[in-house]
Amino acid sequence: AQKVTQAQTEISVVEKEDVTLDCVYETRDTTYYLFWYKQPPSGELVFLIRRNSFDEQNEISGRYSWNFQKSTSSFNFTITASQVVDSAVYFCALGPYNFNKFYFGSGTKLNVKP
Amino acid sequence: DSGVTQTPKHLITATGQRVTLRCSPRSGDLSVYWYQQSLDQGLQFLIQYYNGEERAKGNILERFSAQQFPDLHSELNLSSLELGDSALYFCASSVRGSGGGATDTQYFGPGTRLTVL
Repeated sequence: AQKVTQAQTEISVVEKEDVTLDCVYETRDTTYYLFWYKQPPSGELVFLIRRNSFDEQNEISGRYSWNFQKSTSSFNFTITASQVVDSAVYFCALGPYNFNKFYFGSGTKLNVKP
Repeated sequence: DSGVTQTPKHLITATGQRVTLRCSPRSGDLSVYWYQQSLDQGLQFLIQYYNGEERAKGNILERFSAQQFPDLHSELNLSSLELGDSALYFCASSVRGSGGGATDTQYFGPGTRLTVL
């Protein structure tokens, strides 16, 4: 079975705080892909990152970083020094190998207050 | 801007009616996907088309149908609409459909918000 769990429904932080969004996935595949998308209040879904299951290196892009741990089936997303513009719903998704149907988590709503 | 376009942005209609949502994929992308996002169901995959052919089916109701045209744009037809069909409908596109040993990133359009009264 393929499944993505984002246990944090909603998180509120004050600007400049660091925040980590959790993502736990289930799959029996050995090769798969993980994604994060951002959905700001305007509604569109914005692609943030794609990672394959053989690449466990952490990735940093500006204030964003991702921690992939295969041993715990987690792909967590950290925003450093959060800003009000980071307020959005963030979705984690699992893409099975060679099959383009994505499995999305239920999303985590991040509120960054000034 | 992802390069995926969807029209209309908003649609308000009555129960029992039929509507058509339109999507144009990014230039060069051959696959189109349709998703429904509702408050209680989250993001649900509906259907995928690759180069004009249906490739994968998800939780799509029989009242819903889709197609992809030779110019690769796609339409999602929703008929006999019910109140519960009110949702945000997303279209996404990717370069390939499947195969090639990789799972392509899906780029999403801005969505069509459907309200059924």
